[in-house]
Amino acid sequence: QVQLQESGPGLLKPSGTLSLSCTVSGGSINNYYWAWIRQSPGKGLEWIGHIHSTGTSNYNPSLESRVTISVDTSKSQFSLALSSVTAADTAMYYCARPKYCTNINCWGFDYWGQGTLVTVSS
Amino acid sequence: DMQMTQSPSAVSASVGDKVTITCRAGQNIRSWLAWYQQKPGKAPQLLIYGATSLQSGVPSRFSASGSGTDFSLTITSLQPEDFATYYCQQGYIFPFTFGPGTKVDIK
Repeated sequence: QVQLQESGPGLLKPSGTLSLSCTVSGGSINNYYWAWIRQSPGKGLEWIGHIHSTGTSNYNPSLESRVTISVDTSKSQFSLALSSVTAADTAMYYCARPKYCTNINCWGFDYWGQGTLVTVSS
Repeated sequence: DMQMTQSPSAVSASVGDKVTITCRAGQNIRSWLAWYQQKPGKAPQLLIYGATSLQSGVPSRFSASGSGTDFSLTITSLQPEDFATYYCQQGYIFPFTFGPGTKVDIK
């Protein structure tokens, strides 16, 4: 059974960089796409982007100038970096795995981490 | 971005009732639609993928239909554990987007 676990700071200051990692266990990180999704009361569920184990990535255009998703297959981890954060980036951040993807389409997310709450506040 | 709408936004129902939730995409997304259930404090759980396929382990009282722009999720014989919020999500075009959710609560 694949399990995902997010880790990273829960509180950061405006203008800082949000850095989260997701550790994959119970299955291989190879040959799959891996995603970051966030949820806030104001904006609902928002897909941030995803990365394939080979390093190919796609990002939400609304965040693309500030976001980087990377993967480290040797550690079975993938990571999210979001720069220049504001209070609007306060949300629950989830890592997730799409059930199946082509190069441009995905069927849905069948494995999710428990989520980590990130608060941006001075 | 592809707009996803859901109706109703909330529904009150009783155990044993049949509930249908609809989702509409802003353009043709073929069958690249998923449905999720989310309970408070938990991550969303995949119920349906490919618009109509039941995810492994999901009870058969959940079913879905649709393709193109109009989709629906039906729960027959609502159980106590089904009171939750339900979301649709398109996986056809970047950025992938979610509907605003439908809360199913106890009448």
